[in-house]
Amino acid sequence: GENVEQHPSTLSVQEGDSAVIKCTYSDSASNYFPWYKQELGKGPQLIIDIRSNVGEKKDQRIAVTLNKTAKHFSLHITETQPEDSAVYFCAAGLLGIHAGKSTFGDGTTLTVKP
Amino acid sequence: SAVISQKPSRDICQRGTSLTIQCQVDSQVTMMFWYRQQPGQSLTLIATANQGSEATYESGFVIDKFPISRPNLTFSTLTVSNMSPEDSSIYLCSVEVGGVYEQYFGPGTRLTVT
Repeated sequence: GENVEQHPSTLSVQEGDSAVIKCTYSDSASNYFPWYKQELGKGPQLIIDIRSNVGEKKDQRIAVTLNKTAKHFSLHITETQPEDSAVYFCAAGLLGIHAGKSTFGDGTTLTVKP
Repeated sequence: SAVISQKPSRDICQRGTSLTIQCQVDSQVTMMFWYRQQPGQSLTLIATANQGSEATYESGFVIDKFPISRPNLTFSTLTVSNMSPEDSSIYLCSVEVGGVYEQYFGPGTRLTVT
């Protein structure tokens, strides 16, 4: 089955700096790579996803990159703000009926210091 | 998108008892998923629930322990049976929105077994 590794487990940055979280996956068949933000006491919220037919996707201050050859993908947050502080999870899976069965990484706790 | 509610939001239960968690979605969805998230850890898929068919359980999870009902396209229940302290976790309901393959999570049910 799929195995997803996520690094770092914790990340602390100053407000305004950039944050980068990296994930690797093992199953070359995976073609769907979502990222979730989980705030304290809440369920994970999908913030961005990338599919294997593109190498990069951007949404305002958030961008994701995908390297299918190396089987790794990354989340980039620019101009970080204190409200970006949360646990971020990457996941890898298959589109279609299997999208909901993505394998999750262990999470990265991001702290943005004001 | 989809808006998901769960009941109860939290509960403290005695060892050996059972708890049924409800998941309600604001739109009709084919696929619903139940996850477990132990404190400070990642998400582990328990089972996939399709309306009108038996739930499909992941390795390590069995129907006798985690019976699931899916009576219609907007509702599902997960029962945690014969609970032990090891069942203390957050239980999350999730749905996949058809056509866009995006996954949405409920706020979770925080269960403590004493």
